[in-house]
Amino acid sequence: DTGVSQDPRHKITKRGQNVTFRCDPISEHNRLYWYRQTLGQGPEFLTYFQNEAQLEKSRLLSDRFSAERPKGSFSTLEIQRTEQGDSAMYLCASSLEASNQPQHFGDGTRLSIL
Amino acid sequence: GDSVTQMEGPVTLSEEAFLTINCTYTATGYPSLFWYVQYPGEGLQLLLKATKADDKGSNKGFEATYRKETTSFHLEKGSVQVSDSAVYFCALLRGGTGNQFYFGTGTSLTVIP
Repeated sequence: DTGVSQDPRHKITKRGQNVTFRCDPISEHNRLYWYRQTLGQGPEFLTYFQNEAQLEKSRLLSDRFSAERPKGSFSTLEIQRTEQGDSAMYLCASSLEASNQPQHFGDGTRLSIL
Repeated sequence: GDSVTQMEGPVTLSEEAFLTINCTYTATGYPSLFWYVQYPGEGLQLLLKATKADDKGSNKGFEATYRKETTSFHLEKGSVQVSDSAVYFCALLRGGTGNQFYFGTGTSLTVIP
């Protein structure tokens, strides 16, 4: 069990650019989640996948945000035309499918918009 | 909707002091409750959990009891250490298809020698 891995750890970009983050979940976990965390706040749910199916995406912050998990393993989160307000920590988590299972979090990708 | 309310921080304690961080929740049905800890620059780590009323979760000297009558899940530790300095998040999981977590805003704890 190597844990949930996120890449990159830090991303600095100019406003208006597109960014993509990658998450590799724990290998036997078929559920994968994306969260956003701003300073002084708890994680805010964005979207989740069960295998390759995106089962909830209504909480994505705007149509500039999109996520994929094409083969049911790793996932990517893309933000198009970044804005200052997108600066935050983006966290990925994974879990088993059974109910009441805790989610295991990666160390996150910190995005800074200049 | 479902939500979690945590006591506001920051909390500063001396080493070996008793810790309580309050957490109350609002939820339909019978959620599971969790405490996560986040150390600086790291992701969240599961600290403990309880899946039904009157369950007590415990780990590393921390404890929390699922109290349905008061809708609470307060975190306690009898004797804190400097290494316990971190941000603590209470979370609610309403099961079903989503396994969606609702997190509190976090409580920052600093333990001084």
